[in-house]
Amino acid sequence: GESVGLHLPTLSVQEGDNSIINCAYSNSASDYFIWYKQESGKGPQFIIDIRSNMDKRQGQRVTVLLNKTVKHLSLQIAATQPGDSAVYFCAENDMRFGAGTRLTVKP
Amino acid sequence: DVKVTQSSRYLVKRTGEKVFLECVQDMDHENMFWYRQDPGLGLRLIYFSYDVKMKEKGDIPEGYSVSREKKERFSLILESASTNQTSMYLCASRVANTEAFFGQGTRLTVV
Repeated sequence: GESVGLHLPTLSVQEGDNSIINCAYSNSASDYFIWYKQESGKGPQFIIDIRSNMDKRQGQRVTVLLNKTVKHLSLQIAATQPGDSAVYFCAENDMRFGAGTRLTVKP
Repeated sequence: DVKVTQSSRYLVKRTGEKVFLECVQDMDHENMFWYRQDPGLGLRLIYFSYDVKMKEKGDIPEGYSVSREKKERFSLILESASTNQTSMYLCASRVANTEAFFGQGTRLTVV
């Protein structure tokens, strides 16, 4: 049978579509949040961050939304490209990471 | 560009050996971190250090220790390697309260 914890949440999208990756955090006192992207065989790389005095922050093709009421973060990727295929992690300022979400972009 | 360098990409060690994983950063970062990454389990924090000579346990410190004698170098030590420590090990560094920079990882196999 299958083992709990060995299967990463996955999101599969068509090239050109928008992607939304969600993350719940645990510490209501957290004041800084970061999204990282990890491509196969590489270490995670910084994408975008947000501090708790903001609800939204935009970068190039990426937007992070923060909902402190329900302790939820989301990463939106506009016009998703094949190069966006990777595992995406959110982290709080204490450098604890979520399990990650695998994004697959279909051409 | 910030560079975080891990001494080996691949390492094979025998059960019971003492193993040293080295991490060096070139940007004078105060904070350094060690993680292990296993399929489906994300990054799990082993140990971290906020400054030279300082160390704090993360979520899974059992079987590991660390050393930070110089600001740029953070070493992870497996006192007596076991097969359940076969994993990908990642090092990161950062200025406090900013984004972290990661090394390429060391894939350790204990046989």
